[in-house]
Amino acid sequence: RKEVEQDPGPFNVPEGATVAFNCTYSNSASQSFFWYRQDCRKEPKLLMSVYSSGNEDGRFTAQLNRASQYISLLIRDSKLSDSATYLCVVSHSGYSTLTFGKGTMLLVSP
Amino acid sequence: DVKVTQSSRYLVKRTGEKVFLECVQDMDHENMFWYRQDPGLGLRLIYFSYDVKMKEKGDIPEGYSVSREKKERFSLILESASTNQTSMYLCASSPGGQNTGELFFGEGSRLTVL
Repeated sequence: RKEVEQDPGPFNVPEGATVAFNCTYSNSASQSFFWYRQDCRKEPKLLMSVYSSGNEDGRFTAQLNRASQYISLLIRDSKLSDSATYLCVVSHSGYSTLTFGKGTMLLVSP
Repeated sequence: DVKVTQSSRYLVKRTGEKVFLECVQDMDHENMFWYRQDPGLGLRLIYFSYDVKMKEKGDIPEGYSVSREKKERFSLILESASTNQTSMYLCASSPGGQNTGELFFGEGSRLTVL
């Protein structure tokens, strides 16, 4: 079983749509959770951390369900510039090694 | 601005050649990492380092070695390149201490082994 699993997509949505990405992780000892964004032919960059209580950053909302070992990212009012691959990332300990999912591609069209 | 610089964006090497991929960060970070990224496989950790002269194996260290003689520099070495090492290699760094989850990546080095 893969450590971090994501639907690879692509998700094709029109501008203004709301889109949700899901991610599951297999290691119940995982402690920290993140979403990264990777633009085409660019390096990954941290989008946001994911907290147990859920957290929001503008149009982006992240949620964590530890019991189900499930993480989600919701993007409201999609923009063309949101087109990218979204990587679900978990950390198993206080150290800095991160395990990346394979990513979900989002394509936002006019 | 935070900066991780990888010495070569594109390299083409022949099977059996020794390959050096260099990475330098200017943020005084303790932690440095080498990942490879392949279509359908995502990012996979090769090696990482928490301090100068210290290294730890990641998930796929076979066929690779690393060197960290100075805090700012982390080198990935392919002793004898093989075609299955054709990939995008990404270096990253992060500060020591509490895990904030933020890795700062370089732009990547695309290696082709013929």
